[in-house]
Amino acid sequence: GQQLNQSPQSMFIQEGEDVSMNCTSSSIFNTWLWYKQDPGEGPVLLIALYKAGELTSNGRLTAQFGITRKDSFLNISASIPSDVGIYFCAGQLFPRSQGNLIFGKGTKLSVKP
Amino acid sequence: NAGVTQTPKFQVLKTGQSMTLQCAQDMNHEYMSWYRQDPGMGLRLIHYSVGAGITDQGEVPNGYNVSRSTTEDFPLRLLSAAPSQTSVYFCASSYRSGNYGYTFGSGTRLTVV
Repeated sequence: GQQLNQSPQSMFIQEGEDVSMNCTSSSIFNTWLWYKQDPGEGPVLLIALYKAGELTSNGRLTAQFGITRKDSFLNISASIPSDVGIYFCAGQLFPRSQGNLIFGKGTKLSVKP
Repeated sequence: NAGVTQTPKFQVLKTGQSMTLQCAQDMNHEYMSWYRQDPGMGLRLIHYSVGAGITDQGEVPNGYNVSRSTTEDFPLRLLSAAPSQTSVYFCASSYRSGNYGYTFGSGTRLTVV
């Protein structure tokens, strides 16, 4: 089946540092989504990207849809303790009407105050 | 507006028992899906539905059944529970299959002994 390679698997950073994580695929995607999961909860959508090359921000978060359509990255600036959690990328294949998202395995972020 | 509601939150089953995980959404979403989350594996699609009366298999459908008799409800049935089905199960919905972010429920943690 299709796979997304998400890296890094985990990160331990100091509060105030910037964070970068990415996802790559051997397949072309038409949509990239980034989710955050807090312990004991379901994933919550952070950013959605619909066009190759698109760069979108949501507060301290910035994500980009790679030009090749095979990758995406998420940056978090000036991290704070509440950024702790697991971040998932998800891609959607063509055609979008199929509706199925493929998820990466997640990046676990730990922030030291 | 409760979003996506999953019940129960926790469940312990004996091998061979059957049970139904409930999922309901009050957002009039057409698309609903079930994922399982295992450590280091990300989220894997079990079954999905693009509308009432229509269901299809995802990546890991074996051992699970679904039905979609109403727009609001999408129950997941375990026919004969096995230890390999120990996992956290998430239901998700979207206004339409396609490039819309999914809304996830808070999950059902299932242990099969």
